[in-house]
Amino acid sequence: AQSVSQHNHHVILSEAASLELGCNYSYGGTVNLFWYVQYPGQHLQLLLKYFSGDPLVKGIKGFEAEFIKSKFSFNLRKPSVQWSDTAEYFCAVNPKDTGRRALTFGSGTRLQVQP
Amino acid sequence: SAVISQKPSRDICQRGTSLTIQCQVDSQVTMMFWYRQQPGQSLTLIATANQGSEATYESGFVIDKFPISRPNLTFSTLTVSNMSPEDSSIYLCSVATATDTQYFGPGTRLTVL
Repeated sequence: AQSVSQHNHHVILSEAASLELGCNYSYGGTVNLFWYVQYPGQHLQLLLKYFSGDPLVKGIKGFEAEFIKSKFSFNLRKPSVQWSDTAEYFCAVNPKDTGRRALTFGSGTRLQVQP
Repeated sequence: SAVISQKPSRDICQRGTSLTIQCQVDSQVTMMFWYRQQPGQSLTLIATANQGSEATYESGFVIDKFPISRPNLTFSTLTVSNMSPEDSSIYLCSVATATDTQYFGPGTRLTVL
């Protein structure tokens, strides 16, 4: 079975700081990778996804993530955060080779951006 | 993308009662899922709702406690039966599109007293 680790549980940044949130997964085969965001009081929204091809993927709101296969990582980045980026961020995977479409989520990272 | 609605958005229930949560999608989808998000925690898959057959439950979740229906390709229900305070959670419906992307509903916030 696959698992996902998000090592940063709570991150506090000032506006304009750069952001990198870590995500590592454990699975022997190939996976689809996702980042979701949950703004306060709102439901989960898809930020970006990686299925194949260019390992650097760009998502909404200036976010990007890089898939590094050798490190089993899919870290989320943003060069300059805004107060409105305050939210909880979840990394998720599902395996390509089993037909299982459900997602396995990491524990989430709470990002707090201070004005 | 897919637009998903859930009813109710929140409820407060008494111990021992049951609550049925509805999930409606604006287009036909093959895969629908039910997740639980306990306070301050991540999402855990409860089951895959299969159209025309019994749901597929994850380890730790059983049909008697969480019966699921999926009468067609746009609708599913999850019932939380014989509730206890430990069932207080946000219950989320999600769908997987043909492009393998999952979209989530707004969730149902359940409080059991």
